[in-house]
Amino acid sequence: GQNIDQPTEMTATEGAIVQINCTYQTSGFNGLFWYQQHAGEAPTFLSYNVLDGLEEKGRFSSFLSRSKGYSYLLLKELQMKDSASYLCAEGNNRLAFGKGNQVVVIP
Amino acid sequence: IAGITQAPTSQILAAGRRMTLRCTQDMRHNAMYWYRQDLGLGLRLIHYSNTAGTTGKGEVPDGYSVSRANTDDFPLTLASAVPSQTSVYFCASSPTSGNEQFFGPGTRLTVL
Repeated sequence: GQNIDQPTEMTATEGAIVQINCTYQTSGFNGLFWYQQHAGEAPTFLSYNVLDGLEEKGRFSSFLSRSKGYSYLLLKELQMKDSASYLCAEGNNRLAFGKGNQVVVIP
Repeated sequence: IAGITQAPTSQILAAGRRMTLRCTQDMRHNAMYWYRQDLGLGLRLIHYSNTAGTTGKGEVPDGYSVSRANTDDFPLTLASAVPSQTSVYFCASSPTSGNEQFFGPGTRLTVL
């Protein structure tokens, strides 16, 4: 089975760095996805990790440790538009999503 | 059409009624998915289809059925709606299973 755990909410200041953690338990790891979801909108893809290590994409980076069942999403140089829910999901075609972490960016 | 669309945008439905949520994509993606999103529970997979002609059950399939007659369309049917099916429903597609999924704008369904 799969069990995804994420903290629920955090507040950060514009320009700051925030790290969003995700732990998972699965009988067979297939890959770890991160999605961003603004209020009232659909989720949009941010990153995908299947091997251990850090993947960097502009202001966003994602890290994976398969042995620890752990991933994090790092948001740098926070902007107001980054206020959203960040969802991690593990799987292949049958994705199991965490409940999401709400990030509120304040001036 | 560009991307993935869903219809209707929102619907209020009496309990016991039959309802079909429509989903169409024009990206020629092989895989399609239906999720429901509820406050405090996150996104949960209802049904999926890896390719036209095949479907599979997700985490919460009871009370829902799907069909995949062609590549573009993946309708979700509630045979007899119940209030616990009140939710926001998202359809998604991916080139193949295991790729990033592209989500439609969602359907907000209220069952009274």
